[in-house]
Amino acid sequence: ETGVTQTPRHLVMGMTNKKSLKCEQHLGHNAMYWYKQSAKKPLELMFVYNFKEQTENNSVPSRFSPECPNSSHLFLHLHTLQPEDSALYLCASSQDRGAWDPSGNTIYFGEGSWLTVV
Amino acid sequence: GESVGLHLPTLSVQEGDNSIINCAYSNSASDYFIWYKQESGKGPQFIIDIRSNMDKRQGQRVTVLLNKTVKHLSLQIAATQPGDSAVYFCAEKAAGGSNYKLTFGKGTLLTVNP
Repeated sequence: ETGVTQTPRHLVMGMTNKKSLKCEQHLGHNAMYWYKQSAKKPLELMFVYNFKEQTENNSVPSRFSPECPNSSHLFLHLHTLQPEDSALYLCASSQDRGAWDPSGNTIYFGEGSWLTVV
Repeated sequence: GESVGLHLPTLSVQEGDNSIINCAYSNSASDYFIWYKQESGKGPQFIIDIRSNMDKRQGQRVTVLLNKTVKHLSLQIAATQPGDSAVYFCAEKAAGGSNYKLTFGKGTLLTVNP
């Protein structure tokens, strides 16, 4: 148990569907993230939320829409996706102590949601 | 551009042997490094981290070594076990950069043979 729970673990959707991925963290962290992991590619940061405010959108297409209602929950709303969007979507959280804190920022990941777009 | 990469995409070892997984980084301004383990079908799991003011840090059966001169990071696993079979990848953070902006490597697949 990582303290970061993602649902569903597996999702198959058509290109015209609308679905959502859900993430909940039980670690008391103040920052949450969405990452995309494709085969043979490094982890790609998609979105960052700090204290519920989006602080980073890493040039993600608008067909991915994040929502962070509170510091413990994060959603990724999906609509009109493409087959190349098929990947493992990882939610993560951390306690962001600010850039002035040199102690680093350990990011803890959930188990991921495997998404297949058909 | 700046990148984090791994020398070997795969590593196969015998159970009980020590394993060494390497990572080269090109951003000399990076000040924080993390090793993650990712088992098949699971998310990345934090193993150990190290700050740039250190050159060695030990955990339970794992040791991370940092050589800033040649910008090289390694993960040593002692007495490797079948449960250590996974993809291992490193991540770096640039000094002065946002704490969440980690750059990840592609990973090395470690296979432990019984």
